Amino acid sequence: GAVVSQHPSWVICKSGTSVKIECRSLDFQATTMFWYRQFPKQSLMLMATSNEGSKATYEQGVEKDKFLINHASLTLSTLTVTSAHPEDSSFYICSAKGREYEPQHFGDGTRLSIL
Amino acid sequence: GQNIDQPTEMTATEGAIVQINCTYQTSGFNGLFWYQQHAGEAPTFLSYNVLDGLEEKGRFSSFLSRSKGYSYLLLKELQMKDSASYLCASMDSNYQLIWGAGTKLIIKP
Repeated sequence: GAVVSQHPSWVICKSGTSVKIECRSLDFQATTMFWYRQFPKQSLMLMATSNEGSKATYEQGVEKDKFLINHASLTLSTLTVTSAHPEDSSFYICSAKGREYEPQHFGDGTRLSIL
Repeated sequence: GQNIDQPTEMTATEGAIVQINCTYQTSGFNGLFWYQQHAGEAPTFLSYNVLDGLEEKGRFSSFLSRSKGYSYLLLKELQMKDSASYLCASMDSNYQLIWGAGTKLIIKP
């Protein structure tokens, strides 16, 4: 149980393109979903937390106009990187949990490369 | 402030036992989590402790002492595939996970 699917796994695109990443909880209802970014050999960095039906809460330093998060249902959240630039290249990982006290379960991540 | 401390890197031998320690200071406490992350992959959930004591799950065990703000992950009969980073995370009073930087475990034959 507790399977989270993230799509796509890899994205390579030109600078200035907007990229949408989907995160789905397949066998449970995700009250809360999280978006992380991880640069090579560095720690997980939480970007934002989203609860179904409400606006995402962004961590300090994360531009909400650049990283658009939508959590329209209990099984789907999307992250759109708008007008992506090479410095946005990173490993983006979503996670989801059901009840507040439950562990987060991670998707497989999306490797984003902006040329 | 909130803080999670764990060693940056550890080395162990295949077949041996290794203990990865974690100390935490968070605003409130709703449990301690351990995750495994292989290089280039997303983390996977290993264990959750909310009460003091040892939780055993196969070759992996996790221990918690709330009074000391301390946990450890114990890995027995180490295999080469156990080479990974091990992330300690404490859940605070708002049910938010505070992550440690991870311990990179290197297994040598």
